[in-house]
Amino acid sequence: DAKTTQPPSMDCAEGRAANLPCNHSTISGNEYVYWYRQIHSQGPQYIIHGLKNNETNEMASLIITEDRKSSTLILPHATLRDTAVYYCIVNGTSYGKLTFGQGTILTVHP
Amino acid sequence: GAVVSQHPSWVICKSGTSVKIECRSLDFQATTMFWYRQFPKQSLMLMATSNEGSKATYEQGVEKDKFLINHASLTLSTLTVTSAHPEDSSFYICSARSGPAEGQPQHFGDGTRLSIL
Repeated sequence: DAKTTQPPSMDCAEGRAANLPCNHSTISGNEYVYWYRQIHSQGPQYIIHGLKNNETNEMASLIITEDRKSSTLILPHATLRDTAVYYCIVNGTSYGKLTFGQGTILTVHP
Repeated sequence: GAVVSQHPSWVICKSGTSVKIECRSLDFQATTMFWYRQFPKQSLMLMATSNEGSKATYEQGVEKDKFLINHASLTLSTLTVTSAHPEDSSFYICSARSGPAEGQPQHFGDGTRLSIL
């Protein structure tokens, strides 16, 4: 599976949009981009995933560049409860294994 | 939908005992379940993959005789830590996937914090 690169940490003001970048320059054509987050002492929570097109759900939006080498997770109106570690993972194998990197620690400030 | 329940959430036991952790998919059938381990301030590390009705596949470096995995039904997988020792203390997390990997996300339980005295 393709490796991903994320900034180690980001800050965001409450109520503002949080834009979390992810670089996956070695992604191959059949690999999906998944985003999860982990709030302290809990299991990871699935947020969103996509292949080529931009995606939106009740939690977030996922913007994937045309060449698919990078993506951005957008939390439109961040709240204090969105403070967590956000993981961007690329996966496409039939085996389904997810490889977690270090992720981005997002801190939402009042 | 897609709720995964893990039990217990927290367990303390003496060195040398065995501990069983259950992972259940509550509202879907999970053909594949995964077990992860997470040490403090580290990321999740995959331990093994289990498919319903077959033997688990362990990641390199994970002792299959120490971490017994059973996936006897489409809604339940168990992880038994045998003869646990203090170095086995960790946060154990399971996840479940209901269908083919392509486009099918995994859903995670809330984890089990295991402390061996």
